[in-house]
Amino acid sequence: DQQVKQNSPSLSVQEGRISILNCDYTNSMFDYFLWYKKYPAEGPTFLISISSIKDKNEDGRFTVFLNKSAKHLSLHIVPSQPGDSAVYFCAASGGDGAGTASKLTFGTGTRLQVTL
Amino acid sequence: NAGVMQNPRHLVRRRGQEARLRCSPMKGHSHVYWYRQLPEEGLKFMVYLQKENIIDESGMPKERFSAEFPKEGPSILRIQQVVRGDSAAYFCASSPPSGRRNTQYFGPGTRLTVL
Repeated sequence: DQQVKQNSPSLSVQEGRISILNCDYTNSMFDYFLWYKKYPAEGPTFLISISSIKDKNEDGRFTVFLNKSAKHLSLHIVPSQPGDSAVYFCAASGGDGAGTASKLTFGTGTRLQVTL
Repeated sequence: NAGVMQNPRHLVRRRGQEARLRCSPMKGHSHVYWYRQLPEEGLKFMVYLQKENIIDESGMPKERFSAEFPKEGPSILRIQQVVRGDSAAYFCASSPPSGRRNTQYFGPGTRLTVL
């Protein structure tokens, strides 16, 4: 049962343009969402997060949007740079209803390629 | 402030041997998580530990796998009698001790290959 889905396995964007990565979830108990970036043979690097009480969070070139009614979030990168080429994972927590920090449920990732 | 450290980075074992993976969390972090990534898949949660306690092991296979986070020293993920299907990248993450929505920071991973 894939509770977090990234339906686009890959995305190619020209340098300077906007990259939009999408993520859908099914568990309405999720209340904290994160995006990680991963290079080959390295661990995931935290990019940005958003709590379910917000609908937007921005950090430099990265903005995450959350649409709770649609159970959808997206990561916008603008302007895209060649160094952004990596696999991006969406993750969610809170699905177990626990009162303390809990496990992350990951999507399968989207490979972003930023071309010159 | 050093990040999450994992060793070894690469581990090769023959079927039936034991694999021990180590994780040292970031300074000041007392929560440790282990995840496994199979080829072409996302990361899957295995276990969540605090010092000397297993909090959630719902993602751990029922047999051959165990984890600990002792009072002193790193967290250890132990796989007994490895099989080829255990070949994967194993990632450790840590988070601070307070709050519910804690961001988890990942180590570089240990790539286990079972021959």
